[in-house]
Amino acid sequence: GENVEQHPSTLSVQEGDSAVIKCTYSDSASNYFPWYKQELGKGPQLIIDIRSNVGEKKDQRIAVTLNKTAKHFSLHITETQPEDSAVYFCAARGTGGSYIPTFGRGTSLIVHP
Amino acid sequence: KAGVTQTPRYLIKTRGQQVTLSCSPISGHRSVSWYQQTPGQGLQFLFEYFSETQRNKGNFPGRFSGRQFSNSRSEMNVSTLELGDSALYLCASTQRGAQETQYFGPGTRLLVL
Repeated sequence: GENVEQHPSTLSVQEGDSAVIKCTYSDSASNYFPWYKQELGKGPQLIIDIRSNVGEKKDQRIAVTLNKTAKHFSLHITETQPEDSAVYFCAARGTGGSYIPTFGRGTSLIVHP
Repeated sequence: KAGVTQTPRYLIKTRGQQVTLSCSPISGHRSVSWYQQTPGQGLQFLFEYFSETQRNKGNFPGRFSGRQFSNSRSEMNVSTLELGDSALYLCASTQRGAQETQYFGPGTRLLVL
């Protein structure tokens, strides 16, 4: 089955800095890669996603890049703010019979004011 | 539109007891997936229901079961609780299946003593 590795497990930055979280996946058939943000006491919320036919996607301060050859994808957050502090999860999902997403272990992002 | 709701939000049980958790999906969503989230194992898929039928099942023992009603509401049951079942149980809904973007509820935090 799919295996998703996520790094780092903890990331501490100063307000205004950029943050990058990286994930690798094992199944070359995976074609959909969502990123979720989970705040304390809440369930994960989708913040951005990318499909395998696209190399990069941006939404304001958030961007995701995908390298299918290397089987890795990254989340980039620019101009970080204290409210960006949360746990971020990446996931990889295939098609057909195995479309249940496999999640990374999460990255705790701390943005210091 | 109301989001995914889960009840109860918090639960304390003792070993050997059984527990039932409830999930109400977003109106119009017919697929409900359940996940277990723990610090040690991360987010792990339990099962998915669509139109009252279980379509996918994760690698959990038979003590974990679920069902879906005709109004798409879903329940999961854990029998003979073990200390290791302490976790945040998350429910996610989509219109047709787990291959779509999933919307998570806030979760039910279960503590087994």
